[in-house]
Amino acid sequence: DQQVKQNSPSLSVQEGRISILNCDYTNSMFDYFLWYKKYPAEGPTFLISISSIKDKNEDGRFTVFLNKSAKHLSLHIVPSQPGDSAVYFCAASERNNNDMRFGAGTRLTVKP
Amino acid sequence: DAGVIQSPRHEVTEMGQEVTLRCKPISGHDYLFWYRQTMMRGLELLIYFNNNVPIDDSGMPEDRFSAKMPNASFSTLKIQPSEPRDSAVYFCASSFTGVQPQHFGDGTRLSIL
Repeated sequence: DQQVKQNSPSLSVQEGRISILNCDYTNSMFDYFLWYKKYPAEGPTFLISISSIKDKNEDGRFTVFLNKSAKHLSLHIVPSQPGDSAVYFCAASERNNNDMRFGAGTRLTVKP
Repeated sequence: DAGVIQSPRHEVTEMGQEVTLRCKPISGHDYLFWYRQTMMRGLELLIYFNNNVPIDDSGMPEDRFSAKMPNASFSTLKIQPSEPRDSAVYFCASSFTGVQPQHFGDGTRLSIL
């Protein structure tokens, strides 16, 4: 069963604009959420995380928002750069459980 | 500092053959994870170890799959006998504690003909 869903397989954005990647989850026990970025022929690279006690976490151009009532999180990239073009995976787990569930990924293309 | 190292990067073999994938985690990391990525199922956890001990292997698809971690710096994932449906990219990841984030290797692309 897909406990973490990324319903947009792809997203195209102009350089300098905002990229918004969305993720939904079904398991209310999830309390730790992460975003990973993946380039072709490489492994996923950790980008940013958020715990369920927060609703926002910011790191430079990257901000993750968490809406627990809607079981929804989003990643904002501002401003978007061509080097941000990659596949972005949303992941979720319970803090005391190492079984991390991944979404299917969203391919972001940032056009110059 | 070296990241998670996986070998081989690519493996092509015939059905029925034994396949061994290797992983060297980041030094000092106590947790090691094996994942499989396919188009159909995405990225799924197969098994993970804590301090070289397998903790949860519920994701291992069949008895044909086995994983070992003989010491803190080495783990193997073995498939015997291999089948075409095992074709996928296999990732190894490690973390300092059970609290993520995990650091991933670049994966082994496995093709079973």
